[in-house]
Amino acid sequence: DGGITQSPKYLFRKEGQNVTLSCEQNLNHDAMYWYRQDPGQGLRLIYYSQIVNDFQKGDIAEGYSVSREKKESFPLTVTSAQKNPTAFYLCASSPRGLNSYEQYFGPGTRLTVT
Amino acid sequence: GESVGLHLPTLSVQEGDNSIINCAYSNSASDYFIWYKQESGKGPQFIIDIRSNMDKRQGQRVTVLLNKTVKHLSLQIAATQPGDSAVYFCAEKEYGNKLVFGAGTILRVKS
Repeated sequence: DGGITQSPKYLFRKEGQNVTLSCEQNLNHDAMYWYRQDPGQGLRLIYYSQIVNDFQKGDIAEGYSVSREKKESFPLTVTSAQKNPTAFYLCASSPRGLNSYEQYFGPGTRLTVT
Repeated sequence: GESVGLHLPTLSVQEGDNSIINCAYSNSASDYFIWYKQESGKGPQFIIDIRSNMDKRQGQRVTVLLNKTVKHLSLQIAATQPGDSAVYFCAEKEYGNKLVFGAGTILRVKS
């Protein structure tokens, strides 16, 4: 089945540690996105990538980093510089150049930093 | 920047009734809108989308209405079922393929 996978579902880290969240898609989509969701709030864009080896900052990129070395993979690193890293992180992908702008979401990773 | 917002944070409906979830947007240049459903602890799922050259679009048990005059979007769910209980987000397309999401409305279905 085609889709987006995120792992792990739950992640616990100590403050001061960097942590990398995985996102893989086999939909052959060019564009990929990372969002952060806090309780009772909408999705806020962290980083996005329209094509391999290229990515742009979203609205809340500070304290995060990404890479896009392969079309199917877009890992997100939450660095120790991120002041409030505890959140639900969602990865999404979308095809480029088509009439629909629908983004397909993964199941999310809940990160807890103590 | 301009953003998408919602009128009602929580909506409670009786099973079998119709639900209407509202969304106000502020960017009059937006030409594409989309509704997502998010169940607890899961990623958002696509429900329906609409382009600005349309006023109405229907899917299975759902209808999206777009009123460009007052910059208002609504999602209507017919014969609401317990499985419809979730958070519903509207989003508008920004430049490129970026989507700007509203805060969401919680829909609770009472049996």
